[in-house]
Amino acid sequence: SQKIEQNSEALNIQEGKTATLTCNYTNYSPAYLQWYRQDPGRGPVFLLLIRENEKEKRKERLKVTFDTTLKQSLFHITASQPADSATYLCALPESGANNLFFGTGTRLTVIP
Amino acid sequence: EAQVTQNPRYLITVTGKKLTVTCSQNMNHEYMSWYRQDPGLGLRQIYYSMNVEVTDKGDVPEGYKVSRKEKRNFPLILESPSPNQTSLYFCASSQGPGTPLHFGNGTRLTVT
Repeated sequence: SQKIEQNSEALNIQEGKTATLTCNYTNYSPAYLQWYRQDPGRGPVFLLLIRENEKEKRKERLKVTFDTTLKQSLFHITASQPADSATYLCALPESGANNLFFGTGTRLTVIP
Repeated sequence: EAQVTQNPRYLITVTGKKLTVTCSQNMNHEYMSWYRQDPGLGLRQIYYSMNVEVTDKGDVPEGYKVSRKEKRNFPLILESPSPNQTSLYFCASSQGPGTPLHFGNGTRLTVT
């Protein structure tokens, strides 16, 4: 089965800087990869989906890249704000199945 | 408002006492799924359903049952709960594999 690693458990960043979160996977390359945001005590909220034939996807201050050679996705938040503080999860599908694997997440704290 | 509703939000029970956690979605989604979230382990899929009367095991199905008699409802049943099932549970739905998951707000279950 797929193994997903998100670069660090926690990341602190100064307000206004760009936060970069990493998601690495070990086995097959998935057809797509998703990123979610989770606030304490709440369910994850979908942010972006990027497909294997897409190099980059943007949504407002968010940008996701997908490098199937490196088996890696990068998630960027530009001009970060304290309200961006949350845990960010990457998720990708199991090959040939309907199971969606989630990483353990990176807890981002944006310091004012 | 499009949403996934889980009940109850909090539940404390004793070992062996059968319980049901309800999940309902109002988006006419065909795909529904249950996850549990534990510290350090992330989100792990318990069961999923591709449509009415179609269910399948996820990564950690032992000790759980589900049913999908109607499109909107996907209850999670613990016939004989044990302390290792103490966890935060999330129900989610989507239009199908490859589309964003919509999560409920979670059910925090404690089994003593």
